[in-house]
Amino acid sequence: AQSVTQLDSQVPVFEEAPVELRCNYSSSVSVYLFWYVQYPNQGLQLLLKYLSGSTLVKGINGFEAEFNKSQTSFHLRKPSVHISDTAEYFCAVRTIGGSYIPTFGRGTSLIVHP
Amino acid sequence: DGGITQSPKYLFRKEGQNVTLSCEQNLNHDAMYWYRQDPGQGLRLIYYSQIVNDFQKGDIAEGYSVSREKKESFPLTVTSAQKNPTAFYLCASSKIGQGQETQYFGPGTRLLVL
Repeated sequence: AQSVTQLDSQVPVFEEAPVELRCNYSSSVSVYLFWYVQYPNQGLQLLLKYLSGSTLVKGINGFEAEFNKSQTSFHLRKPSVHISDTAEYFCAVRTIGGSYIPTFGRGTSLIVHP
Repeated sequence: DGGITQSPKYLFRKEGQNVTLSCEQNLNHDAMYWYRQDPGQGLRLIYYSQIVNDFQKGDIAEGYSVSREKKESFPLTVTSAQKNPTAFYLCASSKIGQGQETQYFGPGTRLLVL
């Protein structure tokens, strides 16, 4: 079975500052990794995903994430955040060849202050 | 436009009442899912379905029921046996197969108990 840990429940940051949202996973087999964003009272939408290939993945809205197999991490980064990035961010993992059901982390609330 | 629709946006339930949440997709996806979201707990899987007329229980199926009579539709019934139904409910769908793992989410239904 796989599991996902999002290390910070809340990350406050000032506008135009860089941000990193941390995600660690546990799995005995290879995985696919995802980051989703949820704006208030809305569903989730995909930010980016890692399936294979380059470990640095670029997504929408200027976000990127790096897959680190040795540290079992998939941290999300943005060099300069905007007020509109205020949202809940979820990391998810799915084992390759196993169940197609992903496991989600508990989420990190990114709060961008002016 | 292809996507997932959920209705209603808000739903009120009285004690002892069953209520049904609608989920429809026109993405031609095989798999559909229902999640429950509570503050600070991330997404918890209620039920999922890979094919018409077949569905499986997720982690928190007690007090809920589903049907999958059509590929496009996956309604969720919250029964009177669910003693704490107040939550945000999200429906999702995806293709099945290697590289097809992205889930697409609806806008959600917020269920409140009167």
